Amino acid sequence: KQEVTQIPAALSVPEGENLVLNCSFTDSAIYNLQWFRQDPGKGLTSLLLIQSSQREQTSGRLNASLDKSSGRSTLYIAASQPGDSATYLCAAPNSGYSTLTFGKGTMLLVSP
Amino acid sequence: GAGVSQSPSNKVTEKGKDVELRCDPISGHTALYWYRQSLGQGLEFLIYFQGNSAPDKSGLPSDRFSAERTGGSVSTLTIQRTQQEDSAVYLCASSPRPGNTGELFFGEGSRLTVL
Repeated sequence: KQEVTQIPAALSVPEGENLVLNCSFTDSAIYNLQWFRQDPGKGLTSLLLIQSSQREQTSGRLNASLDKSSGRSTLYIAASQPGDSATYLCAAPNSGYSTLTFGKGTMLLVSP
Repeated sequence: GAGVSQSPSNKVTEKGKDVELRCDPISGHTALYWYRQSLGQGLEFLIYFQGNSAPDKSGLPSDRFSAERTGGSVSTLTIQRTQQEDSAVYLCASSPRPGNTGELFFGEGSRLTVL
């Protein structure tokens, strides 16, 4: 069964810093990987969906990369802002099943 | 509506009571998922519906949990004889594509507290 690990569990940075969130998965036979954002008390908002044929996907200040061979994905946030404060989760498909396994997330705090 | 809608947003119930949680997916989305998020835990898969196919119930934790999806649209998750360990946020998601091939869109969740 797919296992997804996110490092670090929590991260606190001053406004303006560039930062990288890491996601690793055990089963590399995936056809996509998704990054989500969750604000306190809210549902998940999809940020980026990377197909296995892609190596990167960009949306605004966010850039996600996918390396299937090493079982890793990274989410790069440029010029962080206090509004970026949230929990970021990655999710990888379970091979042979129609479900996703989610990491436990990285809680990000960006201070003004 | 434009997004996935869930109701109620909050539900407090007494141990042993039954509860129903509702999910209205994005129009046209054929795939619908229920996940559970407990305090300090990751998201736990519960059940998956795809079109008119038999649902994947492999994630339901006990036979007290059941779900249905009527007309390929609205879904209801029912928990019978609730227990305190059922307290969690129940999240519904829909997708325009089957399996894990498409982007997932989540609702705001239903927070269940069992006293």
